[in-house]
Amino acid sequence: DADVTQTPRNRITKTGKRIMLECSQTKGHDRMYWYRQDPGLGLRLIYYSFDVKDINKGEISDGYSVSRQAQAKFSLSLESAIPNQTALYFCATRGRLGTDTQYFGPGTRLTVL
Amino acid sequence: RKEVEQDPGPFNVPEGATVAFNCTYSNSASQSFFWYRQDCRKEPKLLMSVYSSGNEDGRFTAQLNRASQYISLLIRDSKLSDSATYLCVVPPQGNTGFQKLVFGTGTRLLVSP
Repeated sequence: DADVTQTPRNRITKTGKRIMLECSQTKGHDRMYWYRQDPGLGLRLIYYSFDVKDINKGEISDGYSVSRQAQAKFSLSLESAIPNQTALYFCATRGRLGTDTQYFGPGTRLTVL
Repeated sequence: RKEVEQDPGPFNVPEGATVAFNCTYSNSASQSFFWYRQDCRKEPKLLMSVYSSGNEDGRFTAQLNRASQYISLLIRDSKLSDSATYLCVVPPQGNTGFQKLVFGTGTRLLVSP
């Protein structure tokens, strides 16, 4: 079984709809992240969480919100989706050490029409 | 200067060739670095970690030049399966373990028969 899972894997929705992307991990990591990836722009950090009570905005948090329901679960919400939120979204986890690397989920391809 | 900069490529090389990519970083306090590989529409996956002067794993060699603030990735005897985008990753503020990672936009490699 994958260490980091994301649901749904693909989603097509309409402008104005509320969307939730979910992420679960079995690695026991405290740190969880949400990124979006657009062609030519690389990975951009939306939100990150260092534990259940700690939520931080990333570089592009406008239009998004998150919830850390448990150590293993971190969900991303688009309250009112817009077309420029069409992107590939990745969840990731990381251990506490500076030498720890980051593990990514398989991604969610979101299309907003 | 951007935190992490990479040549986007693409680097087009024939099978069997040796190819090298560089990645420059701005934070001189960074101590651990990573190279990730990302296939089209897939999640990034760790290729190599670089903690000191360098690291070698089979056909892949990563080197760190602290004086000039860049890391390099050398691929020997290129295979068709090496075609992917290679992401350089740097902790933005040293090695505390509490910082989020900064991803370069990636260098695309295309290996042809």
